[in-house]
Amino acid sequence: DTAVSQTPKYLVTQMGNDKSIKCEQNLGHDTMYWYKQDSKKFLKIMFSYNNKELIINETVPNRFSPKSPDKAHLNLHINSLELGDSAVYFCASSRRPGATGNTIYFGEGSWLTVV
Amino acid sequence: AQSVTQLDSQVPVFEEAPVELRCNYSSSVSVYLFWYVQYPNQGLQLLLKYLSGSTLVKGINGFEAEFNKSQTSFHLRKPSVHISDTAEYFCAVSDTGNTGKLIFGQGTTLQVKP
Repeated sequence: DTAVSQTPKYLVTQMGNDKSIKCEQNLGHDTMYWYKQDSKKFLKIMFSYNNKELIINETVPNRFSPKSPDKAHLNLHINSLELGDSAVYFCASSRRPGATGNTIYFGEGSWLTVV
Repeated sequence: AQSVTQLDSQVPVFEEAPVELRCNYSSSVSVYLFWYVQYPNQGLQLLLKYLSGSTLVKGINGFEAEFNKSQTSFHLRKPSVHISDTAEYFCAVSDTGNTGKLIFGQGTTLQVKP
C-alpha cells in the first residue's frame, strides 16, 4: 500500500483551465502538506493542514485553494492556470507538527505542465 | 527564519569512490536536520535525520551524516558509491516548534560514473 498517494501523476492542460490534484495518506497522520518543486528542482512549502485546519499558507496566489475534507485527504485546486504554474507538486504528511522525530513522508509527485 | 545552503550543485564521482555532499544551515533557534533523496521522476525518500544526541547519524543505503553545531553543517557521506546512488539529494531543516515545515536546500546532483 502506498503511504501517501496523489493523482494524477501527469497532467498537461491549457492556460486558463482549472484543475485539481488529489492526495490521500493512510499513515494515520494528523498533518498534511503541499510542496512545489520548480524547474530548477527547488522545493518550497505551499500549505500545511493539521486536523483539517490550515496552519501554513506561504503567500501562495489565491488561485491555489487547498481543501481538506478529512485528515487523511488534502486536495489542491488551481484556478486559471498560468504557464508559471508548471511544476511538480508533492503532497506529504507527518504526525502533528513539532513532535519529536516528525518525519515528513512524501508522495510520488504530480507533474503539471501548462501549455 | 531558517535557510539551507548546499554548497555543490553537482558532484561527479566514480563508482566505489567515497563521496561527501555538503550542507550548511542558518537558524536562530534549535533545528532538526534531514537528508532526502530523489531518484529520477520519483518522490522524495528520507535518507536520515538528526534530532538530538549523537552527532553522527546513520541512514539507509550506507549513508551517514555528521551534525556540527559550531560550523552549522550537516554533511552527507558514503564511503563507496554505486551507480544506483545517482540521484538528487536535498538537505533540509525544520524548527522544533509547531509548524513542522521543512526548508530545503537547492539540491545536489550526484552523478556516479562507471
